[in-house]
Amino acid sequence: QVQLQESGPGLVKPSQTLSLTCIVSGDSINSGRYYWNWIRQPAGKGLEWVGRIYSSGITDYSPSLKSRVTISVDTSKNQFSLKLSSVTAADTAVYYCARERFPDYGSGTFGFDYWGQGTLLTVSS
Amino acid sequence: SYELTQPPSVSVSPGQTARITCSADALSKQYVYWYQQKPGQAPVLVMYRDTERPSGIPERFSGSTLGTTVTLTISGVQAEDEADYYCQSADSSNHFYVFGTGTKVTVL
Repeated sequence: QVQLQESGPGLVKPSQTLSLTCIVSGDSINSGRYYWNWIRQPAGKGLEWVGRIYSSGITDYSPSLKSRVTISVDTSKNQFSLKLSSVTAADTAVYYCARERFPDYGSGTFGFDYWGQGTLLTVSS
Repeated sequence: SYELTQPPSVSVSPGQTARITCSADALSKQYVYWYQQKPGQAPVLVMYRDTERPSGIPERFSGSTLGTTVTLTISGVQAEDEADYYCQSADSSNHFYVFGTGTKVTVL
């Protein structure tokens, strides 16, 4: 059974860099045909896609966050990470990691089929 | 910027049909995906590539598409279907994703 588990500091001061990690179990992050995504959700609001990474290290980021986001992968630890710099209160949210599988051929993917439980990240002094 | 528009809320009586629309403002439509989210829980994928249902999702969930509007239909709504529903798609370059504004489905 595939499981994703986010971990992070819980509280970050404004202007600092937040770091979150998603540990993947039950599957190899390097087994191919997967994108690994970060998605966030401020309290009471909708979902916002942050970015994704392929096991090779290729990344895509939300245009609105691109200047502040870095997603990396550590295949030896079967985990991937999110760094968001210069945080403000607007970055306070539940952060989810999610797996996305894509087909051997054809367009589209199979969607975000496995999600972590989410971790709350609060930006406050 | 690429946007997906959903109705804020849909109310339906048990056993009736709920239809949730997701309208894209881009001419080149990518596939749409749908997620169900209950309070305090992570979202769950209920439809992918417009009309395909993941294993384990009840048959009462179906998807359809017409032009740049995609619809998630819940036939024979049950109380357990009360949740927020989000559509999601990609921009024309397929290099970034966008979520819809979300629809709260209330079962009366």
